[in-house]
Amino acid sequence: AQSVAQPEDQVNVAEGNPLTVKCTYSVSGNPYLFWYVQYPNRGLQFLLKYITGDNLVKGSYGFEAEFNKSQTSFHLKKPSALVSDSALYFCAVRDGGGYQKVTFGTGTKLQVIP
Amino acid sequence: DTGVSQDPRHKITKRGQNVTFRCDPISEHNRLYWYRQTLGQGPEFLTYFQNEAQLEKSRLLSDRFSAERPKGSFSTLEIQRTEQGDSAMYLCASSPTGQGLNTEAFFGQGTRLTVV
Repeated sequence: AQSVAQPEDQVNVAEGNPLTVKCTYSVSGNPYLFWYVQYPNRGLQFLLKYITGDNLVKGSYGFEAEFNKSQTSFHLKKPSALVSDSALYFCAVRDGGGYQKVTFGTGTKLQVIP
Repeated sequence: DTGVSQDPRHKITKRGQNVTFRCDPISEHNRLYWYRQTLGQGPEFLTYFQNEAQLEKSRLLSDRFSAERPKGSFSTLEIQRTEQGDSAMYLCASSPTGQGLNTEAFFGQGTRLTVV
């Protein structure tokens, strides 16, 4: 069975500071990893993904994530946080073996303080 | 194309009634997914279609739930004899198929169901 853990319910960061939102995963095969963001009253929006290749992937709005196979982690990062980044962030994983089911974490609320 | 469209956006129903939700995926997206999201939780996978074929179903999809995608375009999710525990946001997503195409899913804004 595949699973995702987001250990922090909420992350607070000052505007302009770097941010990290943590994610660890478990799959039996090769992982396909995703980050989505959810703003209030809006649907989930895709930020970035790791399928294969470079461990550092870049996505929308200046976000990036680092895949670490040995630590089974896929942490989301941004060098300089904006107040508009405040939202709910979800990490997700799919087993690359062919099934389409994507398993999401419970989400981390990011609060960027002006 | 403006993205994945879901209808209605909100639904309030009495316990025991049947409800049906509709999802229109992005044009030419072969894959369609249904998820359920409750407060404080991430989306939970319910089912997946490739074209008109329902290829995966979660254990969460009890016999009161049924999903269809009859022509491989729009999909419906029906809940029969609704229970208060069915109150949630029901999300639909779609993605294209094909070697080398993006594998991420594009989500609609969801249908919020409240069972009273």
